[in-house]
Amino acid sequence: SAVISQKPSRDICQRGTSLTIQCQVDSQVTMMFWYRQQPGQSLTLIATANQGSEATYESGFVIDKFPISRPNLTFSTLTVSNMSPEDSSIYLCSGLGGAGSGEQFFGPGTRLTVL
Amino acid sequence: GESVGLHLPTLSVQEGDNSIINCAYSNSASDYFIWYKQESGKGPQFIIDIRSNMDKRQGQRVTVLLNKTVKHLSLQIAATQPGDSAVYFCAENMGTGGGNKLTFGTGTQLKVEL
Repeated sequence: SAVISQKPSRDICQRGTSLTIQCQVDSQVTMMFWYRQQPGQSLTLIATANQGSEATYESGFVIDKFPISRPNLTFSTLTVSNMSPEDSSIYLCSGLGGAGSGEQFFGPGTRLTVL
Repeated sequence: GESVGLHLPTLSVQEGDNSIINCAYSNSASDYFIWYKQESGKGPQFIIDIRSNMDKRQGQRVTVLLNKTVKHLSLQIAATQPGDSAVYFCAENMGTGGGNKLTFGTGTQLKVEL
């Protein structure tokens, strides 16, 4: 399976600022996704990152708050905009393998704390 | 420190015993299911998967059982080891028609006692 890296691994940010998280896959994947995981809870899908076009957002998540880019098959970014303490969470990206594989594999996550 | 969230269900087992972790999924149209293991500070790690045309699949020390009638999944871990201590999530996927999106269960904390 592919290996996914994320940068930064963690950050502490001030209210009202924005943070861009990078996700890099070491091989091409057909699909990439962004999830949020609050401490002690399960993962919630934010959006599907589409190559070369606008991301597809899940209910409760909007582009203005979480702009996403995916310029190629191996890289994506998620920006958390105008942050508030409620945005403190772990943000994870995942990739879906090709050749009919349904396996989604995950990056290590970015732990964000907003003060 | 971390904010207080929901407490995950916890399963405590003795080292060497078998563990059974259960999961109820929500969508009868889901055709692919995955179990993930998440250790503290890490992303979820794929353990084993099963498609809806099967009711059992075995891996190394792990077995997944699928009961579509009652929309239930279980993960069995044989001879549980301390390294198995983690949070375990089931996830369901409705396939290409559902955008290959995963819906995760609430998770179970497995604690292995020596």
